[in-house]
Amino acid sequence: DTAVSQTPKYLVTQMGNDKSIKCEQNLGHDTMYWYKQDSKKFLKIMFSYNNKELIINETVPNRFSPKSPDKAHLNLHINSLELGDSAVYFCASSQGQQTNYGYTFGSGTRLTVV
Amino acid sequence: AQKVTQAQTEISVVEKEDVTLDCVYETRDTTYYLFWYKQPPSGELVFLIRRNSFDEQNEISGRYSWNFQKSTSSFNFTITASQVVDSAVYFCALSGYNAGNMLTFGGGTRLMVKP
Repeated sequence: DTAVSQTPKYLVTQMGNDKSIKCEQNLGHDTMYWYKQDSKKFLKIMFSYNNKELIINETVPNRFSPKSPDKAHLNLHINSLELGDSAVYFCASSQGQQTNYGYTFGSGTRLTVV
Repeated sequence: AQKVTQAQTEISVVEKEDVTLDCVYETRDTTYYLFWYKQPPSGELVFLIRRNSFDEQNEISGRYSWNFQKSTSSFNFTITASQVVDSAVYFCALSGYNAGNMLTFGGGTRLMVKP
């Protein structure tokens, strides 16, 4: 019964391709996030959605487009993949938008662009 | 803007030694939360602790303890009698009230515990 599940766990693809990473949470949380961890281990937020509505959109190229069909799912679609997109992408969820709610992270998707 | 600094990028200790991981933060919010996460070699992010800005009591959980000092904007993490299984990257993070529950992470400290 994984609380936040991401698929796939590993993704190897060629430059220029389009790919998607899926995220689902079964915790009943209202808010979901995408974080990127680069090769130096730096973790940075990319997007935040609350009840399917975009709340935070950090400086991320337009090639990245999150989609939330319902509050339990937040998928990340990436167009025209570049070498610099290689990273580990973490999905997370929380009960709400207030800071007193903790996060639950997925196990990450390691994306390698060759 | 909020910022978290973990000045120690890498620490190496021998098993059974005590080790302290430093975390210093900056925020303009008066209400905020501080977190520590562990990332073992397997890659997942494991939640360790959450502390709110109004609670400066130190916390102990088994071999882990946390020292929150608002006066110095620090939230340090100590592992007592370290074990090889403690080897991981440890992240300190901050979430401010006005940041929409966005977690800002420090750069992480890689802890290597040698037998």
